[in-house]
Amino acid sequence: DAGVIQSPRHEVTEMGQEVTLRCKPISGHDYLFWYRQTMMRGLELLIYFNNNVPIDDSGMPEDRFSAKMPNASFSTLKIQPSEPRDSAVYFCASSLGLKALAKNIQYFGAGTRLSVL
Amino acid sequence: GENVEQHPSTLSVQEGDSAVIKCTYSDSASNYFPWYKQELGKRPQLIIDIRSNVGEKKDQRIAVTLNKTAKHFSLHITETQPEDSAVYFCAARNEVASGGSNYKLTFGKGTLLTVNP
Repeated sequence: DAGVIQSPRHEVTEMGQEVTLRCKPISGHDYLFWYRQTMMRGLELLIYFNNNVPIDDSGMPEDRFSAKMPNASFSTLKIQPSEPRDSAVYFCASSLGLKALAKNIQYFGAGTRLSVL
Repeated sequence: GENVEQHPSTLSVQEGDSAVIKCTYSDSASNYFPWYKQELGKRPQLIIDIRSNVGEKKDQRIAVTLNKTAKHFSLHITETQPEDSAVYFCAARNEVASGGSNYKLTFGKGTLLTVNP
């Protein structure tokens, strides 16, 4: 398996523009997580899905952020409108669930580095 | 919810010395404790994990210890090498209780380890 695949790897945009980050989880994984990483706040969980259903979105900073998972192999994180303080590295991760204890390691994608000017 | 504290935030050692990173957690129901290593510009990757039915686990130069009574766990790296330089994250999760509804890792803020040649 190619692992968790994120695109784009880098995104530079201007304040006010819409940004869409994409993630393809590892095939067969039923959990998908979106994280944001900054120097100041570390690794923050934004939202996670189980079987394509959002379970906990308490980490989503505000209404400008939204995430979807239309099927088991694709998820998006959208920021609209973007602001300079959204600049960060956004990671997607996936794992198996409780049905596979000892195999439910959380694997991270390579991340998307977002710069909002 | 779970809260994970990690210390120190930075650690500098000489090559060949040992390094110890410590974490405490707040939720006594947590029973899975992974450690992730993140090299500069890369994704976090699992290096070792431990479940609460064991007190210690080793993998070559890396070991993790767990004290459930005190609610703390530690990462030990022996004979450090320059390639061990990275940010290390601890995390905690409760894998038993609630199926999908609370299946998230809570991460510490990270420790920047620098191994000087």
